[in-house]
Amino acid sequence: GENVEQHPSTLSVQEGDSAVIKCTYSDSASNYFPWYKQELGKGPQLIIDIRSNVGEKKDQRIAVTLNKTAKHFSLHITETQPEDSAVYFCAAGSPPSNDYKLSFGAGTTVTVRA
Amino acid sequence: DAGVIQSPRHEVTEMGQEVTLRCKPISGHNSLFWYRQTMMRGLELLIYFNNNVPIDDSGMPEDRFSAKMPNASFSTLKIQPSEPRDSAVYFCASSSETDFSTDTQYFGPGTRLTVL
Repeated sequence: GENVEQHPSTLSVQEGDSAVIKCTYSDSASNYFPWYKQELGKGPQLIIDIRSNVGEKKDQRIAVTLNKTAKHFSLHITETQPEDSAVYFCAAGSPPSNDYKLSFGAGTTVTVRA
Repeated sequence: DAGVIQSPRHEVTEMGQEVTLRCKPISGHNSLFWYRQTMMRGLELLIYFNNNVPIDDSGMPEDRFSAKMPNASFSTLKIQPSEPRDSAVYFCASSSETDFSTDTQYFGPGTRLTVL
């Protein structure tokens, strides 16, 4: 099955700086890569996703890049703010061939220092 | 839309008791997922339904765990008998497979289960 590895496990950044989280995946059939943000006491919420036919996607301060050859994808948060502090999860899936299941990374705890 | 609804939000029970967790997916979604989240194991997929039919239950840890989806708007995850190692946050998520561009999984707020 798919194996997703995520680094780093914790990340502390100064407010206003950028944060980068990296993930690798093992199954070359994976074609869908969402990123989730989980705040304390809440369920994971989708913040951005990318599909294999696109190399980069941006939404305001958040961007995701995908390198299918190397089987890795990254989340970039620019101009970090205190409300960006949360746990971030990457995931990989191969809809529709794999029944829409997602394999999740272990998570990155991001702390933005004021 | 109210999003995915889970109940109860918190459950404290004693070892050996039966526990039932409930989920109402987003209206119109035809896939439903049950996850368990712990510090040690992260997010684990327990079981996945499509059109109310269980597709993959390979993540269900033991026979003590069972899940049902009697209709498109309701699912239950039951643990009987419960054990302390079942303590975790259980999430339900739903997605739609009718439109490739909307196959994102949307998570509920979770049920925090504590088994004493």
